[in-house]
Amino acid sequence: EVQLVESGGGLVKPGGSLRLSCAASGFTFSNAWMSWVRQAPGKGLEWVGRIKSKTDGGTTDYAAPVKGRFTISRDDSKNTLYLQMNSLKTEDTAVYYCVTTVNTFDAFDIWGQGTMVTVSS
Amino acid sequence: QSVLTQPPSVSGAPGQRVTISCTGSSSNIGAGYDVHWYQQLPGTAPKLLIYGNSNRPSGVPDRFSGSKSGTSASLAITGLQAEDEADYYCQSYDSSLSGKVFGTGTKVTVL
Repeated sequence: EVQLVESGGGLVKPGGSLRLSCAASGFTFSNAWMSWVRQAPGKGLEWVGRIKSKTDGGTTDYAAPVKGRFTISRDDSKNTLYLQMNSLKTEDTAVYYCVTTVNTFDAFDIWGQGTMVTVSS
Repeated sequence: QSVLTQPPSVSGAPGQRVTISCTGSSSNIGAGYDVHWYQQLPGTAPKLLIYGNSNRPSGVPDRFSGSKSGTSASLAITGLQAEDEADYYCQSYDSSLSGKVFGTGTKVTVL
């Protein structure tokens, strides 16, 4: 079964840091381009960023609100995706989803269950 | 703020047809980038509904259909059912932002 399972969410103070993890199974993780998408409480979906597969360069791209503060990385030996979040702001409070494309070329056809990050003093 | 605009809500009686628009610009939908649609039931993760403008993943009922023209795209739901009550989002790529973008989201209510 194709599956993504996020972990690492929690409560953190403004200015603090947090690292999210996403464990992948059921597909060839090393070939996949992986993304993070977030959803603030009661709000819509927002793309956070993406990391390409190492064979495609392993480069990253980020949305403007998180660029310079968030870093996406991957460990293909552990089939795990990471999101390092630094200098957190209250507006980063959201459910963070790990997503990828397995069968549909460009669309996000696999979603994790999400992990909640709350930034509050 | 999202660069893809959707109506905040649409509603219809069971069995009716509803459509949801997704309006973009020349840097996203109008540039030829594909549009995808997602359904989010209350309290759950989004699920892919339509990919590549008009294709349905396996398991998605043919009551759902997508189309694209110019700088806009649409999702149609025919034979509306109570279980279709959810939030729907369009998604594409924006060359000016160099990243994926989602629509503002539309809540579908079954009367």
